[in-house]
Amino acid sequence: KQEVTQIPAALSVPEGENLVLNCSFTDSAIYNLQWFRQDPGKGLTSLLLIQSSQREQTSGRLNASLDKSSGRSTLYIAASQPGDSATYLCAVRGSGGSNYKLTFGKGTLLTVNP
Amino acid sequence: NAGVTQTPKFQVLKTGQSMTLQCAQDMNHEYMSWYRQDPGMGLRLIHYSVGAGITDQGEVPNGYNVSRSTTEDFPLRLLSAAPSQTSVYFCASSPRAWGNQETQYFGPGTRLLVL
Repeated sequence: KQEVTQIPAALSVPEGENLVLNCSFTDSAIYNLQWFRQDPGKGLTSLLLIQSSQREQTSGRLNASLDKSSGRSTLYIAASQPGDSATYLCAVRGSGGSNYKLTFGKGTLLTVNP
Repeated sequence: NAGVTQTPKFQVLKTGQSMTLQCAQDMNHEYMSWYRQDPGMGLRLIHYSVGAGITDQGEVPNGYNVSRSTTEDFPLRLLSAAPSQTSVYFCASSPRAWGNQETQYFGPGTRLLVL
């Protein structure tokens, strides 16, 4: 059974700092990995999707990497801003018989202080 | 495009009552799914559909029914609500059921409280 772990559970940083969020998964047989952002009381917004054959994806100040063999992904946020404050969720889509669903981590609550 | 819409936003039920959570998408997506989000548990898949007329169970299907009569709509039915079903429910869709490039689009959620 796929399990996804996100470390740390919560992170508080001053504005302008670069930061890294970590995600690990137990089964390397995945189709892709997605990073989502969730604001309080809101739905999930997809930030980046990395296919299993890719090593990284970039969007603006965000960079996500994937090391499938070791079961790890990182989300790097450059020059953090107070507007980046949210919960960040990592999710993997399994391959084979489990590729119909996403398995989510419990998220990292990020607070960026002005 | 409105994307993925969910109604109601918030609902209070008494134990034993039934209700339907509505989900609709206007992107002609094949794949739709329902998740519940609970503190400390993350998001868990309830039911999913790979196209009109085709549904299947996810990780936590007990107490819930679904149907998919059209591509656009994927309602979730609670047959006899229980306090354990208090949660936030999210509907999601993606263009196709399979493939490694399919981004999932989520609705805003329905917050359900069962007393």
